[in-house]
Amino acid sequence: DQQVKQNSPSLSVQEGRISILNCDYTNSMFDYFLWYKKYPAEGPTFLISISSIKDKNEDGRFTVFLNKSAKHLSLHIVPSQPGDSAVYFCAASARTDKLIFGTGTRLQVFP
Amino acid sequence: ETGVTQTPRHLVMGMTNKKSLKCEQHLGHNAMYWYKQSAKKPLELMFVYSLEERVENNSVPSRFSPECPNSSHLFLHLHTLQPEDSALYLCASSQDQTSTGNTEAFFGQGTRLTVV
Repeated sequence: DQQVKQNSPSLSVQEGRISILNCDYTNSMFDYFLWYKKYPAEGPTFLISISSIKDKNEDGRFTVFLNKSAKHLSLHIVPSQPGDSAVYFCAASARTDKLIFGTGTRLQVFP
Repeated sequence: ETGVTQTPRHLVMGMTNKKSLKCEQHLGHNAMYWYKQSAKKPLELMFVYSLEERVENNSVPSRFSPECPNSSHLFLHLHTLQPEDSALYLCASSQDQTSTGNTEAFFGQGTRLTVV
């Protein structure tokens, strides 16, 4: 049973436009959500997180939105840049439990 | 530089070989993890060590044997692996999540393992 789902395996966006990556989860006990970015031949790097007490967290060009009733979170990147091309992993955890990762979405930003 | 270093970066081994993966972190963290990343699958947590004690083993076959001699080092000993074990093995570290509730993890670059 996959508790964290990223249903879009890939996304292609033009430079300067908004990239929206989506993530759904099934476990209502999750209270902490993270996005990781992964370049080829490198490990995932932490990008941004959000606690369940918030519905939005912003860091520069990156904003994460959390809709607890829908068990859905999204990552917005605006404006998108070619260097943002990578695989993005959504992850979730309950407070004292392990991180559960989604399968990832490959983002390609083209000029 | 993430502060988490894994060696080797690439490893090819036969099914009868014994090899070890090494992970070292310089972040002062006291929890370390092994993850497996296979194509088109979620990252799978294999082992968790907190304060040098194994706190979780996610039903990993015994041909994978972890070792955590101190809070900065983590090993994954490999023995009689199968071709389906070929994957990217990632090490990560964090502050003990049970004390902070903050489970942000810092990852190494991974070891690409191929079993032939």
